[in-house]
Order: sequence, then structure tokens, then C-alpha cells
Amino acid sequence: DAGVIQSPRHEVTEMGQEVTLRCKPISGHDYLFWYRQTMMRGLELLIYFNNNVPIDDSGMPEDRFSAKMPNASFSTLKIQPSEPRDSAVYFCASRGLAGGNEQFFGPGTRLTVL
Amino acid sequence: DAKTTQPPSMDCAEGRAANLPCNHSTISGNEYVYWYRQIHSQGPQYIIHGLKNNETNEMASLIITEDRKSSTLILPHATLRDTAVYYCIVRPRDGQKLVFGQGTRLTINP
Repeated sequence: DAGVIQSPRHEVTEMGQEVTLRCKPISGHDYLFWYRQTMMRGLELLIYFNNNVPIDDSGMPEDRFSAKMPNASFSTLKIQPSEPRDSAVYFCASRGLAGGNEQFFGPGTRLTVL
Repeated sequence: DAKTTQPPSMDCAEGRAANLPCNHSTISGNEYVYWYRQIHSQGPQYIIHGLKNNETNEMASLIITEDRKSSTLILPHATLRDTAVYYCIVRPRDGQKLVFGQGTRLTINP
């Protein structure tokens, strides 16, 4: 298995633009997580899904952020409009019985909002 | 809120055992101790977890005190590739959330 796949790996955009981050979880995993990492706040859980259904989005910072999981093999995290304070590394992770029920993280997307 | 306390940084010589401590004095009976690490510019990586018994796998050993208020992660023969930030996390076994604190930045020196 290729592991969790995220795209793009790097994204540079201007304030006010829409940003879409993508994640492909490990096949067979039924949980998917989105995290954000900054120097100031460390690693924070934004939202997680179980069987494509959002379970807990209490970490989503504000309405500008939205996440979807239309099927078991794909999820998106969208920021609209983006702001400079959204600059961070965004990680996707998945979890399932096939992986011993532990979270496996992707390589992350480094987002820079100018 | 992270429920664990770890030293911010540690150093270890290559080839020696690295012992990373973690305090979790408020751990409850159904919570496990998990360890993850994050090598620079990569996503966090699961290492090991335990409830009350000592655990060992191909990566590390986990020693949990009898009162479960603290634990130690042991990397038996540290290599330069073990340089990373190590996170100690407590979580119920069926819980989903991982709450990351600041972790310990471990530097392995040649």
C-alpha cells in the first residue's frame, strides 16, 4: 500500500483565494482525520470522519473551513477565502483495523497564504 | 488539552539507549499511553502503546510505572535517523482523538 496520499505537497496562494487540499486514505481504513500544524499551536485535530460521515468538527477554526468525504477513498479540506493566518502544514491521517487501529499520517501539505 | 508532560529536549549519543520520560499523573483507568514521533518535515509516525504492562516492538520499548502516572519510551540503540520530536499521548483505547502536546525534541549525536 502506498500509505496516505496528500496533494498538493506545497501550495502558495494569495489572500482571498480558495484553497482545496486533497487526501486519499489507506485502502480499507474507515476513519479519516485532518490536522493542522503551526509553530504557535502545534498539531491540532480539525475534523474526523467515520465511514465517510463527519463525526467531530469541533476543531475547525471557522466557517471559512469545510471538509468533505464523498467516498471511502477521497477527502477534501477547503478554505474559502484563505487568509495569511491559515498558513500551516495540513496533515491527513487514516485509521482502520487493517493497520492495527492506529493512525497513519500522510506527508502533509504546506500551505502559504500571502 | 494535552494530559502529559515531557521535557522539551534531550540529547543522546548514537548507539546508546535513548530514554524519553513522560508524566501523565491524571491518567484514568481506561486510557492508554501512546507514543508517536515526527521526523522533520514528515507526518507523525506511530511507535507503540500500552495500558499497564511493559510493551516492546521492533521500534521501541515502553515502560509504564505501576501506578501508571508516568512512563518511559526506550529506543535501545539510537541512530541518527531517530532524531525527531517524540509525543506522549494518553487516550481511551476506543477514542479517536489524538491530542498532541509539544513533545520532546530528541537529538541523536554522532
